[in-house]
Order: sequence, then C-alpha cells, then structure tokens
Amino acid sequence: QKEVEQDPGPLSVPEGAIVSLNCTYSNSAFQYFMWYRQYSRKGPELLMYTYSSGNKEDGRFTAQVDKSSKYISLFIRDSQPSDSATYLCAMRWGGANSKLTFGKGITLSVRP
Amino acid sequence: DAMVIQNPRYQVTQFGKPVTLSCSQTLNHNVMYWYQQKSSQAPKLLFHYYDKDFNNEADTPDNFQSRRPNTSFCFLDIRSPGLGDAAMYLCATSRDRTSGRGDTDTQYFGPGTRLTVL
Repeated sequence: QKEVEQDPGPLSVPEGAIVSLNCTYSNSAFQYFMWYRQYSRKGPELLMYTYSSGNKEDGRFTAQVDKSSKYISLFIRDSQPSDSATYLCAMRWGGANSKLTFGKGITLSVRP
Repeated sequence: DAMVIQNPRYQVTQFGKPVTLSCSQTLNHNVMYWYQQKSSQAPKLLFHYYDKDFNNEADTPDNFQSRRPNTSFCFLDIRSPGLGDAAMYLCATSRDRTSGRGDTDTQYFGPGTRLTVL
C-alpha cells in the first residue's frame, strides 16, 4: 500500500459544478497537509495548507482534513474553466527538514 | 516578486551527454530540493540541501549529482542521461520552521525544466 493514495482521474465537470478531490493516507505521523495545483507544463503551485483536522476555506476552495480516518479532501465551488489543472495532495510529518509525500495527482477539466 | 527560477525551461540532450539544470531563488530560503516528475506521476524527491548539507534519497541513481554554491543557487547535474531520465525536473525551496521566524516551511516550486533525451 502506498503511503498516499489519490483518487484516479481524469475528472471532467461542467462549469459551475462542485468538485470533490480526495486523498487517503496510511502514515499516522503525517501532520501537515497541502494541496498543490499544477497547470500543464508548469511547476506545482501551493493552493491550500492545513495542519489540524477540520475545514479551511479560501474563496471557492475548502480543504478538509479528517485525521481519524486518514482522509483529506479539496472542494472547489462554482468551478471555472481556469480551474482545469492537475491537483496533487501532499503531506509530511513534523520537524524541520521533513519531506513531502505526494499523491499521484488527478487531472481536472472544467467544461465551459 | 520573490520566486524560484529554473533555467532552461526546456532542455534537449543526447543519450550519454552530460547536462546541467539550474535553479535560483530570491526567497532566501535555506532548504532547496530537486524533484523528478514523469508524466502522470507524483514528483519524486531526488535530493535536497539543508543549508549546505546535502541529503541524498536512497534510491536516487548515482548518475544524478547536485551542487549548491550559495544560498540562492542550486544545480542538478546528470552525468550520463539515459532515455529513462526524460522528465520534468522541479526545483523547490522552503524555510526551516526552526528559524524562529514563524513561517511555515511550505515548499515553493519553480516552473520546472522539461528534459528530452534523444
């Protein structure tokens, strides 16, 4: 079992839809959870960063962490064509110099 | 704007011909990382520098080397590229949380260098 599993894609939704992207993990030592957005042929860009269980909202994006179930989600409300990208979940345990473990990524396409 | 810059954005090399990729940052972060990302795969950490200390991943081939002459610059050297080394190479930086500055140690990525091996 991989440390981080991400729902396989690709995912195609109409503009305005609510999108739910999910990752599960097996290492209970993970404490910090991130979502990166990667446009085609570009580097990953940090979208959301969370530490504790619960929800964190930023505009149309909500990151949810459930440490008891080892499950994280990213919700995108009112999805736009500009949201079309690959979304990578990433996580790490605490301490300086700790490394990120990435999910494989899911490619989202928002149809106008 | 503070950022992570990678050059070149696209690099074509021949099988076995050494190649060097460069990364520079204006964020003044003390940690720098090199990742390899193949199509539809997660970024794979090759190595990282914590200040001047080099940390190699156990499964990084010897073919890959790195140099960090100063805080701002880091280089990835591929001594004898093979066809399997064709990938996107990503540089990232972060600030050590123990610096006491209160920042998160989130990793910030450059745009990547896409390497083609002929």
